[in-house]
Amino acid sequence: DTAVSQTPKYLVTQMGNDKSIKCEQNLGHDTMYWYKQDSKKFLKIMFSYNNKELIINETVPNRFSPKSPDKAHLNLHINSLELGDSAVYFCASSQDRGSQYFGPGTRLLVL
Amino acid sequence: AQKVTQAQTEISVVEKEDVTLDCVYETRDTTYYLFWYKQPPSGELVFLIRRNSFDEQNEISGRYSWNFQKSTSSFNFTITASQVVDSAVYFCALSDTNSGGYQKVTFGTGTKLQVIP
Repeated sequence: DTAVSQTPKYLVTQMGNDKSIKCEQNLGHDTMYWYKQDSKKFLKIMFSYNNKELIINETVPNRFSPKSPDKAHLNLHINSLELGDSAVYFCASSQDRGSQYFGPGTRLLVL
Repeated sequence: AQKVTQAQTEISVVEKEDVTLDCVYETRDTTYYLFWYKQPPSGELVFLIRRNSFDEQNEISGRYSWNFQKSTSSFNFTITASQVVDSAVYFCALSDTNSGGYQKVTFGTGTKLQVIP
C-alpha cells in the first residue's frame, strides 16, 4: 500500500493554464505539506496543513492555492501557470513533529 | 532563523571506499530534530534517520552511521564500504518550530554522491 500518493506523476501544460495536483496519505498523519524542488534540487516548503488548517504559508505567489478537504488529502491548485513554475512538487505528511514521509513527486513542465 | 548547510555539493568515491557527508545547522530552539533523506536518480525522497536534540548518541544502521555533535551543531553521515546503489543526492534537514509553534522543516541544499564502480 502506498503511504503518500500524488497524481499525476507527470504534468506537461501550456503557460497560462490552470492545473491541480492531488495528494493523499493513508498513514493517519495529522499534518501535510507541499514542497517545491527546483532544477538545482533545492527543496523549499510552500504550505503546511494541520488537521485541515493552514499553518505554514511561505512566500508563494497567490496563484498557488492549497486545499485540504480532510486530513488525509491536500491538493494544490495553480492558476495561470508560468514557465518558472516548472519543478517537481512533493507532498509529504507527518504526525506531530515526527518524520515526514514524501510522495513520489509530480514533475510539472510548463511550455 | 533556522539554517542547514551542506558544504559539499558533489562527492565522487570509488566503490568500497568510506565517505562522510557533512551537515551543519543553526537554530535558536533547544528542542529540535535532525533528519537525513536520500534521493536516488529515480527521484523519490527516502527517509533515513531522525534524531532529537536531546539524544547525542551516535547511531549505526548497517553500512550507515550518523555522528551528532551538539557542540559543533553538526550531524554528519558516513557510508562505509560504499556501493554503486548509494549514488544519490543526500539531504540533511532540521525541524524546529516556527513563530506559530508549528513544526517547520528546513532542508540543506543536498550533497550529490557518485559511487564509481
